Amino acid sequence: QSALTQPRSVAGSPGQSVTISCTGTSSDVGGNNFVSWYQQYPGKAPKLMIYEVSKRPSGVPDRFSGSKSGNTASLTISGLQAEDEADYHCYSYAGSYTWVFGGGTKLTVL
Amino acid sequence: EVHLLESGGGLVQPGGSLRLSCAASGFTFSNYAMSWVRQAPGKGLEWVSGISASGGHTYYADSVKGRFSISRDNSRDTLYLQMNSLRAEDTAVYYCAKRGGYGDYTVDYWGQGTLVTVSS
Repeated sequence: QSALTQPRSVAGSPGQSVTISCTGTSSDVGGNNFVSWYQQYPGKAPKLMIYEVSKRPSGVPDRFSGSKSGNTASLTISGLQAEDEADYHCYSYAGSYTWVFGGGTKLTVL
Repeated sequence: EVHLLESGGGLVQPGGSLRLSCAASGFTFSNYAMSWVRQAPGKGLEWVSGISASGGHTYYADSVKGRFSISRDNSRDTLYLQMNSLRAEDTAVYYCAKRGGYGDYTVDYWGQGTLVTVSS
């Protein structure tokens, strides 16, 4: 049950696109399509942004998109806005009804 | 509207015990699997434990196996986490989380969390 690997921080200017990676193993990210992404503001509960690799819950802007290649999942935020500045966490099913998170990535909008 | 309200956190000495509760509302609690997730200060999220909708199946992270016990009372719409033999590294905000709104493998709603501090 090792944590997934995310960059500690990424940054982009308003209007630009940024991509956050999430690298696991064939036992988790690479072994199923149950990867989710959560947005978290300081002191607040996480919010679901992407589920099952690339699906968006209702109400989440289409500026947020997800993808996966091999053992690495990615969250892309296009048309960056100031309100996107937050922490982003990836989350994957790891088999036998266990789950694993990434260490979280702090997104800074310059 | 889904609402999850955790309680029971606080300061406890190493080796001590604490029981967290999570009161659920706004959905049919007995239909959904639930989880506990924690976040140590300044750190990422960590999945701690999960339980099936009926309560018949429970699952734990290796870091808490044998020390923590998850349970639920579907008649009271409440989820519990009994934490024994607490260690300093268990210090974290503990979140109650609902699964199933977007497939059984996805957490779709979170509570606001309750802080557990293990310190002498």
